[in-house]
Amino acid sequence: AQSVTQLGSHVSVSEGALVLLRCNYSSSVPPYLFWYVQYPNQGLQLLLKYTSAATLVKGINGFEAEFKKSETSFHLTKPSAHMSDAAEYFCAVGYSNYQLIWGAGTKLIIKP
Amino acid sequence: GAGVSQSPSNKVTEKGKDVELRCDPISGHTALYWYRQSLGQGLEFLIYFQGNSAPDKSGLPSDRFSAERTGGSVSTLTIQRTQQEDSAVYLCASSLEDWTSGGPQNTGELFFGEGSRLTVL
Repeated sequence: AQSVTQLGSHVSVSEGALVLLRCNYSSSVPPYLFWYVQYPNQGLQLLLKYTSAATLVKGINGFEAEFKKSETSFHLTKPSAHMSDAAEYFCAVGYSNYQLIWGAGTKLIIKP
Repeated sequence: GAGVSQSPSNKVTEKGKDVELRCDPISGHTALYWYRQSLGQGLEFLIYFQGNSAPDKSGLPSDRFSAERTGGSVSTLTIQRTQQEDSAVYLCASSLEDWTSGGPQNTGELFFGEGSRLTVL
């Protein structure tokens, strides 16, 4: 069965430091890839998506992600963390139908 | 409002009682999903509605769970004879996408409500 793995249920970084949240998927078939963010007491919202155009995708709030087919990865990065980035981040993968496969989520903690 | 609306936001019930959770999607969105989010878990697919097509109920965990969508708009998720393991956040999402061509024609974006937190005592 296809799966999505997010390494680390919690990631802690200092304010101003690089943010790196990892996402790997199980299939070699190029999928559609999404990152969603869930702020406390809010619904999930789309951060960015990859749909077979440029492999480096830019999203909202300074986040970006790079699709690496050879590594089956779609890691999320941001050069400098802000306190407002504290949230839970979900990676999701879609193939040929509407049933997205979701990672377990990574809670990003920002230390002042 | 313009977003997906879910009610109630919080529901505490006793084991064995029935509960109904409501989702009001974005107007014009033909696709509607229900997911379950448990602590430390990813989103668990429950059911998918697309227009007038028969819903995909393959994710419903037991026959105690059912859902309907009236008039292609509002949806209700019903859990009968609730159990403690049903405690979770139930998320509703809507979308313009139908994926019938094998992929999203637009952004593929799902728009989520804030969820209904169910606690079964």
